[in-house]
Amino acid sequence: ETGVTQTPRHLVMGMTNKKSLKCEQHLGHNAMYWYKQSAKKPLELMFVYSLEERVENNSVPSRFSPECPNSSHLFLHLHTLQPEDSALYLCASSQRERDEQYFGPGTRLTVT
Amino acid sequence: QKEVEQDPGPLSVPEGAIVSLNCTYSNSAFQYFMWYRQYSRKGPELLMYTYSSGNKEDGRFTAQVDKSSKYISLFIRDSQPSDSATYLCAMSARTGANNLFFGTGTRLTVIP
Repeated sequence: ETGVTQTPRHLVMGMTNKKSLKCEQHLGHNAMYWYKQSAKKPLELMFVYSLEERVENNSVPSRFSPECPNSSHLFLHLHTLQPEDSALYLCASSQRERDEQYFGPGTRLTVT
Repeated sequence: QKEVEQDPGPLSVPEGAIVSLNCTYSNSAFQYFMWYRQYSRKGPELLMYTYSSGNKEDGRFTAQVDKSSKYISLFIRDSQPSDSATYLCAMSARTGANNLFFGTGTRLTVIP
């Protein structure tokens, strides 16, 4: 595997379900990010981990819970989501002192 | 006012045309500028990275920054059907800020 990988690629879940999104980067980076991408909206930064410590939490609802067990892996735990949470969730990584971020293919989430 | 404004398109051009994609921004502190290309069902990939004002060329692509007008452009020469994608601009005030501001993206179709 190369670059940034994400699983699953597609996820349909009910509002009462609990699921997790997984991201893995093979680039030797030390910062990882979760973004939400909705139609006709800019990418929304949700969480940033730098050297495995969370440094940004842009007022994301608590039904989204990130976890970064090491510099290569990032999870987004989901519970009691709302239909408006349906979107493409993108993971990215970078060297913390640089701007260039490298994105995974995303998880297309549908909340029913 | 949004931090970054980008015309969502869609934009359709014939193969071989010169394409101009643009973003405007409001924060005069921005000095690092990026263009990402996002194919359907894929994550964004970094296309061009520039610092401050001026031009940068890479093959058929030229990125242009005019800080006095708070305006950035991406030019694609001899456009190809494989250039059909959504193009996102992104920018930050300082390197390693871990917080990029994205445009909404412009959807481009190059017609053979």
